[in-house]
Amino acid sequence: NAGVTQTPKFRVLKTGQSMTLLCAQDMNHEYMYWYRQDPGMGLRLIHYSVGEGTTAKGEVPDGYNVSRLKKQNFLLGLESAAPSQTSVYFCASRPGPYGYTFGSGTRLTVV
Amino acid sequence: GESVGLHLPTLSVQEGDNSIINCAYSNSASDYFIWYKQESGKGPQFIIDIRSNMDKRQGQRVTVLLNKTVKHLSLQIAATQPGDSAVYFCAENIPGANSKLTFGKGITLSVRP
Repeated sequence: NAGVTQTPKFRVLKTGQSMTLLCAQDMNHEYMYWYRQDPGMGLRLIHYSVGEGTTAKGEVPDGYNVSRLKKQNFLLGLESAAPSQTSVYFCASRPGPYGYTFGSGTRLTVV
Repeated sequence: GESVGLHLPTLSVQEGDNSIINCAYSNSASDYFIWYKQESGKGPQFIIDIRSNMDKRQGQRVTVLLNKTVKHLSLQIAATQPGDSAVYFCAENIPGANSKLTFGKGITLSVRP
């Protein structure tokens, strides 16, 4: 039981490049979330999913897309990376009303 | 101990003292609250949670108090240790079919030896 696993852990992109961040959970959780964390700030919700095949926008969705084709995976895509997307990205999942589990984060730098 | 709101970035306490970290949450419909600890380079680590039908919950060396009347949450850490040094976040869960967790900005707890 690995919990929530994020890949990659670090990445440097050039402006305009695209990439996908993968979040995988082995706990059969229904709900999954992508957050970003910037210096001096709390976590802000980008997109989330309340079940396989569903996605919804969070607080800061612009410039990102997501997919939840399989229950255990939640993908976050950047189609054309911008320096403003330099951040640490955290994925979380939960089975029901309570009990969020977070991944260890992906540090992304866009130059 | 000392108390400070989340609008202040840093709380410094002496090792062995009690720490009190306060949080004002925004949504009166929030039904669940969590305190997280985040150490440098790591993801948020669960400390303690409380549901809205409770006003106090105790863990090991930590206590969370909830005052729904004024939408206030606090985290008390007894006998603060150097290992408690970290950034602390409160988070509120807004219920519903699309329920999600909203975080406060965080406060840095620094423990002086």
